[in-house]
Amino acid sequence: EIVLTQSPDFQSVTPKEEVTITCRASQSIGVSLHWYQQKPNQSPKLLIKFASQSFSGVPSRFSGSGSGTDFTLTINSLEAEDAATYYCHQSSSLPWTFGQGTKVEIK
Amino acid sequence: QLQLQESGPGLVKPSETLSLTCTVSGDSISSDTYYWGWIRQPPGKGLEWIGSVYYSGSTYYNPSLKSRITTSVDTSKNQFSLKLNSVTAADTAVYYCARVIGATVTPWGQGTLVTVSS
Repeated sequence: EIVLTQSPDFQSVTPKEEVTITCRASQSIGVSLHWYQQKPNQSPKLLIKFASQSFSGVPSRFSGSGSGTDFTLTINSLEAEDAATYYCHQSSSLPWTFGQGTKVEIK
Repeated sequence: QLQLQESGPGLVKPSETLSLTCTVSGDSISSDTYYWGWIRQPPGKGLEWIGSVYYSGSTYYNPSLKSRITTSVDTSKNQFSLKLNSVTAADTAVYYCARVIGATVTPWGQGTLVTVSS
């Protein structure tokens, strides 16, 4: 089973700052890495697919990069509505797995 | 617009069977483009992939749960279902159903909390 480790676990950020979340896979997964946003009391929503492809309707301030074992989700110019927990997910190898989540709080 | 809605008991006794149904609206569950999946999230914790099912009935289950899971599809009702037997407190979680398209999971249902307790 592929283990995904996100860092940091928690980040407190001022609006308009840039946020960077990393996801490291325990073995190479190519670009089969996706990012989701889960706001409090809501279900997760897809943000980025295959490491860097923005999902339809997602604001352009969200971007992803990486391949192999190291991946990054970047939020440019954070807005208050971006307060959420962010999860990475790998679909390279069964069973599919998720990172432990990164909670982003707005200062 | 595709929507998914989970339904089922919110309380299950230990050693009994958890049964959930996901009703799909806005698209046909018989589409050969998608799989349909189940994911769970224990309170305050992260996400765990349970398994997925194709309209034809083919399935994939997480090995950690495989011995206790059964899934099915009812194309006449546009629904798919999950059964998890021999539950314990560790199975207490919010259970989500979702569409799997191109190896991504979108959209998700709103989720339903299932508590295992006597």
